[in-house]
Amino acid sequence: SQTIHQWPATLVQPVGSPLSLECTVEGTSNPNLYWYRQAAGRGLQLLFYSVGIGQISSEVPQNLSASRPQDRQFILSSKKLLLSDSGFYLCAWSGGLINSPLHFGNGTRLTVT
Amino acid sequence: LAKTTQPISMDSYEGQEVNITCSHNNIATNDYITWYQQFPSQGPRFIIQGYKTKVTNEVASLFIPADRKSSTLSLPRVSLSDTAVYYCLATNQAGTALIFGKGTTLSVSS
Repeated sequence: SQTIHQWPATLVQPVGSPLSLECTVEGTSNPNLYWYRQAAGRGLQLLFYSVGIGQISSEVPQNLSASRPQDRQFILSSKKLLLSDSGFYLCAWSGGLINSPLHFGNGTRLTVT
Repeated sequence: LAKTTQPISMDSYEGQEVNITCSHNNIATNDYITWYQQFPSQGPRFIIQGYKTKVTNEVASLFIPADRKSSTLSLPRVSLSDTAVYYCLATNQAGTALIFGKGTTLSVSS
């Protein structure tokens, strides 16, 4: 069966520090991968998605970036965090069929202080 | 990706049937309708998906009329543990931007 791992579960970082969140998927190949952010009491905001290694599409211009160095690895990064980057970050994957649903990880709670 | 519209919130009591309707007036021919459930501090979880007519699984039923411009998620006999946010998506292709709306916050009381 397929599983998705996301870490760390919680993170507290000072403003201006770098960020690296990692997500890996097991049990499937060539998944579509997604990064979402959810601010407190808000909906899900799509940040990046990827249909293959090295292919990244950005939905929201900001100081975050994403990379997909391997087929089942998706990394969210920032060189300098802002207070507004605080939130709940979720990684998700889907299969290649047109009706493949999304499968989410457990999320990372990021607090920028 | 068709834009979807759902009620912001709904209230119910334990044991009642809850129906949440989603509008997707500009749904495309190849779009599927998918519903997710999200509890606090967790990622959304797939509930049910359909293309037309009625789909039922162990958790819910999904009703889609012939024109497919709306859909209704039906939760039979809800319990307190069904308190969550429910999202409706109308999408036609994996690998494209899957954008969630604000969802419907369902509150179930005893």
